[in-house]
Amino acid sequence: SQELEQSPQSLIVQEGKNLTINCTSSKTLYGLYWYKQKYGEGLIFLMMLQKGGEEKSHEKITAKLDEKKQQSSLHITASQPSHAGIYLCGAADISNFGNEKLTFGTGTRLTIIP
Amino acid sequence: DTEVTQTPKHLVMGMTNKKSLKCEQHMGHRAMYWYKQKAKKPPELMFVYSYEKLSINESVPSRFSPECPNSSLLNLHLHALQPEDSALYLCASSQLAGVVTGELFFGEGSRLTVL
Repeated sequence: SQELEQSPQSLIVQEGKNLTINCTSSKTLYGLYWYKQKYGEGLIFLMMLQKGGEEKSHEKITAKLDEKKQQSSLHITASQPSHAGIYLCGAADISNFGNEKLTFGTGTRLTIIP
Repeated sequence: DTEVTQTPKHLVMGMTNKKSLKCEQHMGHRAMYWYKQKAKKPPELMFVYSYEKLSINESVPSRFSPECPNSSLLNLHLHALQPEDSALYLCASSQLAGVVTGELFFGEGSRLTVL
């Protein structure tokens, strides 16, 4: 089954600094999703990458997909307190029923300090 | 309306109780999901309903019983749970089932504590 390892596990960054979170897959990636979760709450979709080399940006968050390396990275520029939370990558996997399902990575807990 | 609404937000139950978690969406989505999330772990898929039919059951114990009365509603019936079932239960929906079809919209979750 699909395994997604994220690094680092946790990150403490001073407000205004840049940061990068990585997601490495045990299998070939055919699509990669990034979600953000506030502590103890639901997940919010950030972006989806479907093609090797694809790069997407939304506000100060940029994500890239490197299919050959089976990796994706999420980069935040000039971090703000609102960026704090848990970042989860997700990718397609096969369920027990043989259907596609979304499997999440191990997560990265981001703390922004003033 | 782009919300997935889950009730209750918090639930405490004994091991002999029967309770239900409810989820509602009015976005016209045809796929709905239940995920379970333990502390400091990623969400794990439990069930998927597609067009009101169960399409995925990830070998979930029978003490969890899902129900999809119509395309807008998803229930999770709980009976004879164990303390290790305490977790955040997340409901999600998407336009269609299948990962490549796009994003999942998540509710805020129901935090369950089993005593």
